Amino acid sequence: ETGVTQTPRHLVMGMTNKKSLKCEQHLGHNAMYWYKQSAKKPLELMFVYNFKEQTENNSVPSRFSPECPNSSHLFLHLHTLQPEDSALYLCASSQGGNGLDTIYFGEGSWLTVV
Amino acid sequence: DAKTTQPNSMESNEEEPVHLPCNHSTISGTDYIHWYRQLPSQGPEYVIHGLTSNVNNRMASLAIAEDRKSSTLILHRATLRDAAVYYCIRGTSYGKLTFGQGTILTVHP
Repeated sequence: ETGVTQTPRHLVMGMTNKKSLKCEQHLGHNAMYWYKQSAKKPLELMFVYNFKEQTENNSVPSRFSPECPNSSHLFLHLHTLQPEDSALYLCASSQGGNGLDTIYFGEGSWLTVV
Repeated sequence: DAKTTQPNSMESNEEEPVHLPCNHSTISGTDYIHWYRQLPSQGPEYVIHGLTSNVNNRMASLAIAEDRKSSTLILHRATLRDAAVYYCIRGTSYGKLTFGQGTILTVHP
């Protein structure tokens, strides 16, 4: 138990569906992240939020839309995805938003786009 | 791009020590070295980090070279549960932790 909870753990969606991934952290952290991990590839940072404000968008396609209503919750809204978007999506949090802070990851949401 | 270089894979026997190397020859004076590991079907988890001095915690030890161009993560007695991908990452005050391919550690019974 890392203090970062992701739901759902597994999701199968069609290319025309709209779905959302949810992340909640119970650590009192101020920064939250979405990472993508595809098969045989390193983790890719997608988005960073600091104090609810998006501070980094790593050239992510607009079919991925993040939302951070408060410092404890982070969503990733998905629409018109492609099969190549199938991957493990990891949420994480840290006390601050710089590279010196320890990052705590959730267990991930396995997404399959059919 | 805060690069580190690690071997693709390493093997160890259970109950034996494991030394996982990492090169970071372009490291700057204020960059920390972080180690994370990712067990199968889980998100990465923090292992240890350090700046200049060797560091110990309940999971591992981190030995940092005097010139800071390399470091070694030491698992003192490997167990089957230590089989994972181990990531060595440079942490900068201005950037985000960037994960590379890591080292796949296999532990044999």
